[in-house]
Order: sequence, then C-alpha cells, then structure tokens
Amino acid sequence: DTAVSQTPKYLVTQMGNDKSIKCEQNLGHDTMYWYKQDSKKFLKIMFSYNNKELIINETVPNRFSPKSPDKAHLNLHINSLELGDSAVYFCASSPPRGVMNTEAFFGQGTRLTVV
Amino acid sequence: AQKITQTQPGMFVQEKEAVTLDCTYDTSDQSYGLFWYKQPSSGEMIFLIYQGSYDEQNATEGRYSLNFQKARKSANLVISASQLGDSAMYFCATILTGGGNKLTFGTGTQLKVEL
Repeated sequence: DTAVSQTPKYLVTQMGNDKSIKCEQNLGHDTMYWYKQDSKKFLKIMFSYNNKELIINETVPNRFSPKSPDKAHLNLHINSLELGDSAVYFCASSPPRGVMNTEAFFGQGTRLTVV
Repeated sequence: AQKITQTQPGMFVQEKEAVTLDCTYDTSDQSYGLFWYKQPSSGEMIFLIYQGSYDEQNATEGRYSLNFQKARKSANLVISASQLGDSAMYFCATILTGGGNKLTFGTGTQLKVEL
C-alpha cells in the first residue's frame, strides 16, 4: 500500500503553461506539505496544511496555489510556468502538530521540467 | 529561523567500514526533533532515524546511530558496516515545537561506498 502517492512522477511542459500535481495520503495524517528540491538537491518547504487549513506559506510566488479538498489530499497548481520552476516537488504528510517524534512520510516526487 | 549545516558535501567510505556524517543545527528552542533521511539515486526520501532534544540516550536503528551532543548542537549520523546500497544523499533535518511540524533540511551529504 502506498502511503503518500503523487502524480505524475514526471512532467514536461512548456513555459507559460498551467499544470497540477496531485497528492494523496492514506495514513490518516492531519498535516501535509509541499517541498521543492532544486538542482543542487536543496529541499525547501513551500506549503503546509493542517486539516485543510493553510499553516505555512514560505514566500512562494502566488503562481503556486495549493488546494486541499480534504485532509487526505493536497494538490499543487502552478500557473504560467517558468524555466526556474524546474525541480523535483515532494509531497509529504505527518501526524498532528505537536507530535514531533514521528517522521514525515514523503511521496516519490514529481520531476517537473519546464522547456 | 533554524539553520542546519552539513559541512561535508561528499564522503567516501570503504565497504564494511563505519562512517560519520556531520550535522550541526542552530536553534534557540529547547524542544525540537532531529531526523536523518536518505535519498538514493532513485529519488525517494527514506526516513532513517529520529532523536528528540530531551532524549538522554542516543538513538539507534539497526546500523544507524545518532551521535547527539546537545551542548554542541550536533547530531551526527553514524553508519556502521557500510554497504554498497548505502551510497546515497543523506539529509539532516530538524523540527520545532510549534513550528507547524515543518522539517527544515540541511544541504545534504553525498555518500559513496566503495569496494
């Protein structure tokens, strides 16, 4: 059983297009995240949602819009894609806030290439 | 904001030897968690080990152990009896109480295990 699944795994698109990445977790976790991993492998948090409520927005351009229809899903929509958006995007989930001793579970990543 | 420093961009170790990957962090919080993740070339993020700031004993998980020195704010990962399959990128990360369960990652260490 896949705990955190994100689709698609690979996404190649032209500049200016709008695209979405979907994420679903079946762990019953309350908190979900989007991380961006750049070409130098640096992992940076973009957003965090807790029970469908946005709790972290880390200075991400507003072309990026997360949407959480329920606590098991956190999708990422990106408008007007730019070359610099090329990266690997990871979805993750974790137990409720304040529970520190449990790891975040990551999806397999979506490699986005903007051409 | 917390800062995680991994000073070794790349490390080599011979098979069956032990290796230590360094991690230091900078936080004024008293309550926090420390994690290590492994990212093989296939790209997925694999949780390895967790240490709580109030845990008195160093965490161990199989061949992985965490050398936690709270006063020095260091949380080095020790891998014993290295195997070829340990070749991967290794990330240190921290989580703060009240930080929305946000994992902040270091820049990573690329480990290569040689015959």
